[in-house]
Formats: sequence, C-alpha cells, structure tokens
Amino acid sequence: SQQGEEDPQALSIQEGENATMNCSYKTSINNLQWYRQNSGRGLVHLILIRSNEREKHSGRLRVTLDTSKKSSSLLITASRAADTASYFCARRTGANNLFFGTGTRLTVIP
Amino acid sequence: DTGVSQNPRHKITKRGQNVTFRCDPISEHNRLYWYRQTLGQGPEFLTYFQNEAQLEKSRLLSDRFSAERPKGSFSTLEIQRTEQGDSAMYLCASSFGGADTEAFFGQGTRLTVV
Repeated sequence: SQQGEEDPQALSIQEGENATMNCSYKTSINNLQWYRQNSGRGLVHLILIRSNEREKHSGRLRVTLDTSKKSSSLLITASRAADTASYFCARRTGANNLFFGTGTRLTVIP
Repeated sequence: DTGVSQNPRHKITKRGQNVTFRCDPISEHNRLYWYRQTLGQGPEFLTYFQNEAQLEKSRLLSDRFSAERPKGSFSTLEIQRTEQGDSAMYLCASSFGGADTEAFFGQGTRLTVV
C-alpha cells in the first residue's frame, strides 16, 4: 500500500461477536480516518480521530490511536451480518493527501 | 442526488485507445481526489485538486495520465494509450474545508482494457 497496512487481511466472525481491525502507518499524521466499502461500491466514511486524540466512539464503533506506535485500531461491537464489508484506514498527511491502507475484509456470519 | 457522481460507471476499451472519466463533486467542495483501486487492494492515491489547482500527483500517475479541474468544479481524468495494467476501478472523492474533514466518494468508474 502507499502508506499503511491493515491487519488482519481477512476476518470472519459470528454475528454478535466483536471485530477488531488494526492499522499501522509509517509517517506523521494530522488525523486517521476509517472507511467502509461494500463489494464493488464506493467508500463510506465511518470515523475520524485526530492526532492529539487517543480514543473515539461512534455508535458501535470504537477507534483508538497510538501515535507513539504509529497504529490505530477499529473495534466493531455486537457485529451484524450487514457489517460484512472491507474496512480501510486512511492517513491524512498535512492538509492535503489521504492515503489508504490495504484493508481488512470482514465477514460476519449470521 | 447530491453525492459525488462519476461517469461512466463502466468502460471497456481496446488497448491503445484513450479514455476519459468525469467526476462531479458535491457542490462547493473545494477538494477533489482521484484514486485507483484494483481487486483486493486499497485505493491508491493518484492526484489531488484544491479548487482548480492540481496540488499533488502520485508517481503512479505516468505521463499517459492527465487530470483537470477547470473552474474548480467537475474534474476529468484521461488515460492515453491505455494498457491492460490500467484496468481498475477509478474512484473520485471530494471534501470541503481543512484537514479534519471526511472525504465523500463516488461509486467509481470500472475500466477494463482488452
């Protein structure tokens, strides 16, 4: 990828379980954003965490950021079959570019 | 529909032909991005506009690729002398304001070079 890596590449869980995805990056950031992509479609923004923030919540989503380790994690609690999608972290550098990682393909089994 | 619009949704072209894609961002969004995405990969940054100015281009954007955003509104991405390796989904996104803003994506244009 251009700037980041998600881990794991693929994740399969049962409905109701929690899903955790990790993102690592190499250079400094202004913020880190998480996006979701359903198969063959455009990306949808989920949540943004600034470089001076450590944790953020939005509904069933929880994002953490550790700038010392250059890593972030996305937790989806009480997963649903409709959460099946690819999830990408994106790093904002300066005020301009938004670089995406390789993505985690999440499958939630009903 | 007031979202980001991309046309065409699908394009099949013969190797060596030129193709042009269009992106209409959300009205008044000053920032516009082009990305390329291949199967199973994340979006790869191609280029970025702030208003009509093209501020950054990726090294992925060879001299066969050119992008414009006249008058800071819609944008076009042209690929000349297409190659099979150009087959991908081309995504456009727009945003408004500073760094702490989300990007809104279009549905993409899927290019197949045969």
